Amino acid sequence: SQQGEEDPQALSIQEGENATMNCSYKTSINNLQWYRQNSGRGLVHLILIRSNEREKHSGRLRVTLDTSKKSSSLLITASRAADTASYFCAPGTASKLTFGTGTRLQVTL
Amino acid sequence: EAQVTQNPRYLITVTGKKLTVTCSQNMNHEYMSWYRQDPGLGLRQIYYSMNVEVTDKGDVPEGYKVSRKEKRNFPLILESPSPNQTSLYFCATGQSEMAPLHFGNGTRLTVT
Repeated sequence: SQQGEEDPQALSIQEGENATMNCSYKTSINNLQWYRQNSGRGLVHLILIRSNEREKHSGRLRVTLDTSKKSSSLLITASRAADTASYFCAPGTASKLTFGTGTRLQVTL
Repeated sequence: EAQVTQNPRYLITVTGKKLTVTCSQNMNHEYMSWYRQDPGLGLRQIYYSMNVEVTDKGDVPEGYKVSRKEKRNFPLILESPSPNQTSLYFCATGQSEMAPLHFGNGTRLTVT
């Protein structure tokens, strides 16, 4: 399976600030996905970026992909307390997806 | 409403007592899979299925069985549970190999 490694492991910011999370992976991919998990709940899909795309936006989310460096980043702009969650990157396709330990984001008021 | 339904949400059992965790989806998705989530280890894939009667091992299949007799259901069977199978389990589905996954709400299993 293909697994992404998220960095940092934990991130604490204040409401209104931007949050940036990074992901690295080891082998070539067709696409890369980002997911969010609220404490103990199922993961929720946020955004999918294909290997021929460099950047993708969805609302306050911005994802970049650098296939030459085998890395991706997720930027959450103007964060809110409701963004508090763990965030996971998942490189590859469905049958090969394994999720790392994620980045735990804490947004305080 | 599109749903992935897992049951039960919580389960406490004893070593060796066979159990089944059910997963059902109403989205006509071809792909279904099971994951377990443990602190410090992330989510690891147990088994997956690309379609009816087609299943394959993930990264941690030992001690588990699955079946895919119908497209909508993908039960996870623990024939003889052991304490090291205490974990949070998730079922996930996808429209295809290239599509995003939809997760159930999880089953927290404790084996004593």
